[in-house]
Amino acid sequence: GQNIDQPTEMTATEGAIVQINCTYQTSGFNGLFWYQQHAGEAPTFLSYNVLDGLEEKGRFSSFLSRSKGYSYLLLKELQMKDSASYLCAVISNDYKLSFGAGTTVTVRA
Amino acid sequence: TAGITQAPTSQILAAGRSMTLRCTQDMRHNAMYWYRQDLGLGLRLIHYSNTAGTTGKGEVPDGYSVSRANTDDFPLTLASAVPSQTSVYFCASSDNPQGPQYFGPGTRLLVL
Repeated sequence: GQNIDQPTEMTATEGAIVQINCTYQTSGFNGLFWYQQHAGEAPTFLSYNVLDGLEEKGRFSSFLSRSKGYSYLLLKELQMKDSASYLCAVISNDYKLSFGAGTTVTVRA
Repeated sequence: TAGITQAPTSQILAAGRSMTLRCTQDMRHNAMYWYRQDLGLGLRLIHYSNTAGTTGKGEVPDGYSVSRANTDDFPLTLASAVPSQTSVYFCASSDNPQGPQYFGPGTRLLVL
């Protein structure tokens, strides 16, 4: 089975940096995804890590350490529109995606 | 480009009634998925299909059935709805089972 943990809520100030941690225990690992979900909307794909290291995509970066079962999503230069839920998801060897419960990020002015 | 569409947007359903949630994608993706999202539990996989003509069970398949007659459509049927099936249902698709999944707008279902 899969066990994916991430904090429930985080609050940060506009222009600041926030790091959302995700730890996982899975029966087989084939990659880790981060999704963004605004309230009342569908999840949208942000990033994919399959090898250890940092993947940078504009203001968002995602890091993976497979040996530690750990990932983080880094949001830089926070904007009000970044207020959303961020979902960590792991794909196992049978190609099924398992999601964490999500981290709600609130950006304050 | 429409991407993935779902219908209906929302529905109130009496317990014991049947219902089919529709999902259509125009990206010619091979794989399609159905999830339910409940507060505090995150998204949970109900059923999936890696290619037309095949389906598989996810984490919470009981009470649901699917079919995949062609590449574009992946309907989800509740044969006899129960209140615990009250949830938001998302359909998703991906070009390959290992790649990122793209989600439809969701169907909000209330079973009374």
